[in-house]
Amino acid sequence: TQLLEQSPQFLSIQEGENLTVYCNSSSVFSSLQWYRQEPGEGPVLLVTVVTGGEVKKLKRLTFQFGDARKDSSLHITAAQPGDTGLYLCAGWSGGTYKYIFGTGTRLKVLA
Amino acid sequence: ETGVTQTPRHLVMGMTNKKSLKCEQHLGHNAMYWYKQSAKKPLELMFVYNFKEQTENNSVPSRFSPECPNSSHLFLHLHTLQPEDSALYLCASSQASGADTGELFFGEGSRLTVL
Repeated sequence: TQLLEQSPQFLSIQEGENLTVYCNSSSVFSSLQWYRQEPGEGPVLLVTVVTGGEVKKLKRLTFQFGDARKDSSLHITAAQPGDTGLYLCAGWSGGTYKYIFGTGTRLKVLA
Repeated sequence: ETGVTQTPRHLVMGMTNKKSLKCEQHLGHNAMYWYKQSAKKPLELMFVYNFKEQTENNSVPSRFSPECPNSSHLFLHLHTLQPEDSALYLCASSQASGADTGELFFGEGSRLTVL
C-alpha cells in the first residue's frame, strides 16, 4: 500500500515567519501535486511537479520534488493569514486514474 | 453554474435510512471521483469513473453504491450506514489523459452525519 506521510501534522506560526512542510513516501511517484483546502471548501490545486529534483515557485511558495521522486517539500516565505488552511500532497504512480493523498498539514498563520 | 457542485451540503441520516449524494461537473471532464475525508485520516479514494465506466472501486463497503449516468453526473447512494461513515464526501473531476489524471477539481463536499 502506498502511503504519503506529511510533517508536521499541525503548525501555528506568526505572520511573517517562514515554514516548510514535508511529504515523504517509500514509493516512487510519476508526479506529485500540492493542494490547499480551506474550511468549508474542497481542495484546490497549487502545483504539479513531475521531474526528480524539480523546483517550482508560486509567489511566496516554493515546491520541490525529490531527486528519487519519493518525497516533496513546500516552503512558504513570509507567511500571511491568507495562507491558513490544510495542505495536502498527492502522488500519482501512473497507469490508473487516481492520486494517493498525504496525511495533511494544518497550517494556521496568526496576524 | 461553474466547476463542480455537490448537493446536499449537509445531510443527517439514521442508520436505516436511504439517501443519495449528487455531484455535477460543468467542466467537460471525462473522469469523476468520490473521496471520503474524515478526521485524522488521509483523503480516501472511493470510486473512479472514466467516461461513465467505473475504473476503480477501492474496497468500499456495499452500503455505498455509486452511479454515473453520464460524464457530467455522479451519485453516491447510501443505505444502512454506520456512525463511522460520518465524514465529508468530496466529489472531483479531471480531464484524464494517457499521461496522468490531470488536475483534480473538487466540489465543496457533502458533510454526512450518521446517527
